[in-house]
Parts: sequence; C-alpha cells; structure tokens
Amino acid sequence: SAVISQKPSRDICQRGTSLTIQCQVDSQVTMMFWYRQQPGQSLTLIATANQGSEATYESGFVIDKFPISRPNLTFSTLTVSNLSPEDSSIYLCSVEDQAQGYGYTFGSGTRLTVV
Amino acid sequence: EDQVTQSPEALRLQEGESSSLNCSYTVSGLRGLFWYRQDPGKGPEFLFTLYSAGEEKEKERLKATLTKKESFLHITAPKPEDSATYLCAVNTGNQFYFGTGTSLTVIP
Repeated sequence: SAVISQKPSRDICQRGTSLTIQCQVDSQVTMMFWYRQQPGQSLTLIATANQGSEATYESGFVIDKFPISRPNLTFSTLTVSNLSPEDSSIYLCSVEDQAQGYGYTFGSGTRLTVV
Repeated sequence: EDQVTQSPEALRLQEGESSSLNCSYTVSGLRGLFWYRQDPGKGPEFLFTLYSAGEEKEKERLKATLTKKESFLHITAPKPEDSATYLCAVNTGNQFYFGTGTSLTVIP
C-alpha cells in the first residue's frame, strides 16, 4: 500500500493567518485528494490535485481560500487562507491505492484549531 | 441522489459482546465498498474492500459482508482496543462517498 507522510499533525493558528499542509507519497500518483473533516462529521472532498494542471475544486470550495500546489507526482500542499474559527477541522490528503482495490489511502491528518 | 448511510451513530459494547455495524447505500453504480477504522485525530485506516453481493472479508475480530443494498461490519468478541470510529465508503467510479461513521466504544 502507498504510504503518505502528512505535516503538520496539528497546529493552532490565529484568525486571519494561513496554514500550509504538506503531503508526501512514497510512490508516483496521478491524483491526490484533499478532504476536510469537521468535528463529528464525515469527510468532505475539497479538491482533486493533478500534477501539471490546476486543481479541481468541489462546490463550496474556492481556490482563493484553499490554494493547492502539485509540483510533482509525489507531493502536494494545501493552504487554508484567511483563517476563521469555522476552519477548525481535520484536513486529510489521500491517494487512490491499487493495493486496496482502488480504495483510498489517507495521510495521518492535520488537526487545525483557529483561535 | 447517491447516498451512504451508517447506523448506529454510536455503539457501546461490553468487552466480548459481539455486534454489527450497518452501511446502507443508494448509488448509481458500485465499483467497490470500503471499510475504514479512524482513531481520534488520525486519518482513516483501510480495513476491507468488497466488490459484489455475497462477498465476505475477515480480519481478526472483524468480518465485512455485502449485499446489493448494504454492508455489515460484524465485530466478534470485541476488545477495548477496537474502540474507534468505523467509516464506510462507496466508489461509483465517478465519486467516492463516505458515510458519517459509527463511533464504537468497547468497555472493559
């Protein structure tokens, strides 16, 4: 199975600042997926990051708020900008994993608290 | 509308008390149903993939089954370390839909 290293594992940020989350995969993958999990909720897809092209954002998520970079086939970053308390969530990156029968392997998550 | 629903939302079991978690789905096409375990503050950890009705998968005290409309995760003689949130997800080929999870607590 793919192994994903996600950093940071947690952070406490001031309102109005930004946080950048990094994900490194141990193999080359075409697509990487970024999810948000609000307290007590399930996973919501933010965007799909493809290497060499703009990320595809889901309804309700915009590039100005959640800019994504995908410089190569093993790495991606998600920035959460202009933070507000409503952004307090767990953020997860994932990749489709052939070893799981095309399920998703997830990073360990970033717990963001905005104060 | 494609949808994945899990029940119950929360379940408390005594150690050794077997039970089942349910995942029902209504999707336009099923390419796979997945079960994950999620510990607090962590990313989901893959457990099983099921593809077709009648399929079963087992791992230690866990057994997953699939019908045309739902999947069950059976937990036999659970231990406190089985306490976690269990998520199911469905891949339709176009989308990956997650349920809201069942929070399992196993009491010693």
